Amino acid sequence: EVQLVESGGGLVKPGGSLRLSCAASGFTFSNAWMSWVRQAPGKGLEWVGRIKSNKNGGTTYYAAPVKGRFTISRDDSTDTLYLQMNSLKTEDTAVYYCTTDSSSYYCDYWGQGTLVTVSS
Amino acid sequence: QSVLTQPPSVSGALGQRVTISCTGSSSNIGAGYYVHWYQQLPGTVPKLLIYGNGYRPSGVPDRFSGSKSGTSASLAISGLQAEDEADYYCQSYDSNLSGFVFGTGTKVTVL
Repeated sequence: EVQLVESGGGLVKPGGSLRLSCAASGFTFSNAWMSWVRQAPGKGLEWVGRIKSNKNGGTTYYAAPVKGRFTISRDDSTDTLYLQMNSLKTEDTAVYYCTTDSSSYYCDYWGQGTLVTVSS
Repeated sequence: QSVLTQPPSVSGALGQRVTISCTGSSSNIGAGYYVHWYQQLPGTVPKLLIYGNGYRPSGVPDRFSGSKSGTSASLAISGLQAEDEADYYCQSYDSNLSGFVFGTGTKVTVL
């Protein structure tokens, strides 16, 4: 059974940093392309970024609102996905979901999400 | 920054058929990229409902169907049930953004 468990959310001040983790199990993580998707309170879904498998170069892609501030990385030795968030803004407040990406560009499995609140 | 447009809400009586539209552009749906749909029940994690324009993952009732034409796509729910009350999102890939794009979301209300 595929399981994705996010952690690391919390309250942070504007301008601060936070690192989210996503522990994966139930599938071959090293082969998987992964994404982060967020949802602000009462709002819709917003794609944050994705990372290819290392055998496909480990290339990362980011949505415009987070480019240059967020970094996605992976550790295939521990089956863990990361989202490093720097220079956080109040508009980054959201539940952040870790997802697996299919080859047809959709999110097939989702974690339960972790809440990030950016507030002074 | 939703680039796929959906109606904010649709409603229907029990047993009726409702459709949700998803309008994109030449860099996403119109470029031939697949459209996928997610269902988010109140207070829960989004769940994949339709992939590849019209395919249902295992366990999704055949009351749900998807289609695509040109720069738009649609999700149809036939025989509307009370448990279908949820938010629905379309999603595709955008070549200009080199990333996934989601629709604005549609709240389905069962009357």
